[in-house]
Amino acid sequence: NAGVMQNPRHLVRRRGQEARLRCSPMKGHSHVYWYRQLPEEGLKFMVYLQKENIIDESGMPKERFSAEFPKEGPSILRIQQVVRGDSAAYFCASSPFGLEAFFGQGTRLTVV
Amino acid sequence: SQQGEEDPQALSIQEGENATMNCSYKTSINNLQWYRQNSGRGLVHLILIRSNEREKHSGRLRVTLDTSKKSSSLLITASRAADTASYFCATDAGTSGTYKYIFGTGTRLKVLA
Repeated sequence: NAGVMQNPRHLVRRRGQEARLRCSPMKGHSHVYWYRQLPEEGLKFMVYLQKENIIDESGMPKERFSAEFPKEGPSILRIQQVVRGDSAAYFCASSPFGLEAFFGQGTRLTVV
Repeated sequence: SQQGEEDPQALSIQEGENATMNCSYKTSINNLQWYRQNSGRGLVHLILIRSNEREKHSGRLRVTLDTSKKSSSLLITASRAADTASYFCATDAGTSGTYKYIFGTGTRLKVLA
C-alpha cells in the first residue's frame, strides 16, 4: 500500500502564474487534508475534503485558493495568480475516518 | 491561537540522554498525535493517543495524556543522533464528525553525538 503521494515535489512559479498541487491519498482513505508550512513554523490547516465534498475550508484564504477532491483522481490544491507570500511547503494528509492522518512528502512551492 | 503548543521550542541534549517535550491544547479532543519532521522532509506519524488513554508506548517513545490539564508529553529514551528533528503534536478539533487536525509550532530537538 503506497503512502500518500504528492506531486510535484518542487514547483517554481513566477508571480501571477497558477500553481496546481496534486495529492493521491492512501488506498482506502476517503478523507484528505491540506496544510501549509512556512519556514520554521508548524503546519497550518487549510482545508478538509471528502470525495466530492469540501467539509471544512476555514483555513483557506478567501481569494485565489481552491481545492477539490473529485470522485476519480487525486485531490488538487489550486493557487491562482501566485504571489511571493505563497512560497511554502504544502502538505497533504489522508485518513480513514477518525484515525491517524498520514502525510505525504509535501510540495515545496517557490514563487519568483 | 494554536490549539496545540509545544514546549520547549528547542531542545539540545547529548546522545543517550532522554528528551521530553510537552504539548498543551485548549479545547476538548478525541485524540492527540505526535509527528516527527526531519529538516525539509515530510511528517512521520509517531503515535496516536485517544482521549480515554493516559499512556502509550512505542519502542523508545512514551506518550502521556492528561485531559484534565489539557496536556501531553512525549518522552524519547536513550536518544540517538538520528532523533534530531522537529516534533509536533496535533489535536483533532473534538467536534463530532469533523477531524481537522491542528498542529503546534513544534519542538526542535538536536541530539549531539
